[in-house]
Amino acid sequence: AQSVTQLDSHVSVSEGTPVLLRCNYSSSYSPSLFWYVQHPNKGLQLLLKYTSAATLVKGINGFEAEFKKSETSFHLTKPSAHMSDAAEYFCVVSHNAGNMLTFGGGTRLMVKP
Amino acid sequence: DTAVSQTPKYLVTQMGNDKSIKCEQNLGHDTMYWYKQDSKKFLKIMFSYNNKELIINETVPNRFSPKSPDKAHLNLHINSLELGDSAVYFCASSQGHRANTEAFFGQGTRLTVV
Repeated sequence: AQSVTQLDSHVSVSEGTPVLLRCNYSSSYSPSLFWYVQHPNKGLQLLLKYTSAATLVKGINGFEAEFKKSETSFHLTKPSAHMSDAAEYFCVVSHNAGNMLTFGGGTRLMVKP
Repeated sequence: DTAVSQTPKYLVTQMGNDKSIKCEQNLGHDTMYWYKQDSKKFLKIMFSYNNKELIINETVPNRFSPKSPDKAHLNLHINSLELGDSAVYFCASSQGHRANTEAFFGQGTRLTVV
């Protein structure tokens, strides 16, 4: 069985300050991990994915995530928040059977001017 | 061009009705999915089809019946709608169904049952 826990349901930062969205996972397999972003009333867009290559993964819009097997974590970071980053972020683990995605509960990122 | 498109975007209907949501992808993918997002934003898989064959069916009531007429389409038909069916339904597609495959999502269909 696999599961994903996003440790913060809401994160608020000021524009220009760093962003950290935390994610822990459990998986019986060597996991494939993803971060997706959902802007208000929009679909889900892939930010980045980890598939057992480099542990530091770079994504779109300046986001990156580091896979730490010893900590079973896959935290999402960005050096400097922009107003357009305000959205809901989902950490996701993929099950090998059928690419069934298991989603975390989501973290709402708010960016203050 | 929209890669994964769902229609309608909004659907308001009464309890007991039957409704369908359509999904089409123009990415040439062979695998399609339906996910349900509840009012707390929690997303859970419902179904997955690969080459028109059902490969995942996650304990969804049999009032929900997916239909895949071809690889580019996966429609969702819901019978006897209940209040608890109110949610946002997302269609997605991918090329293959290995664990490292990126899924592309549609914009979602917000279903409201009154």
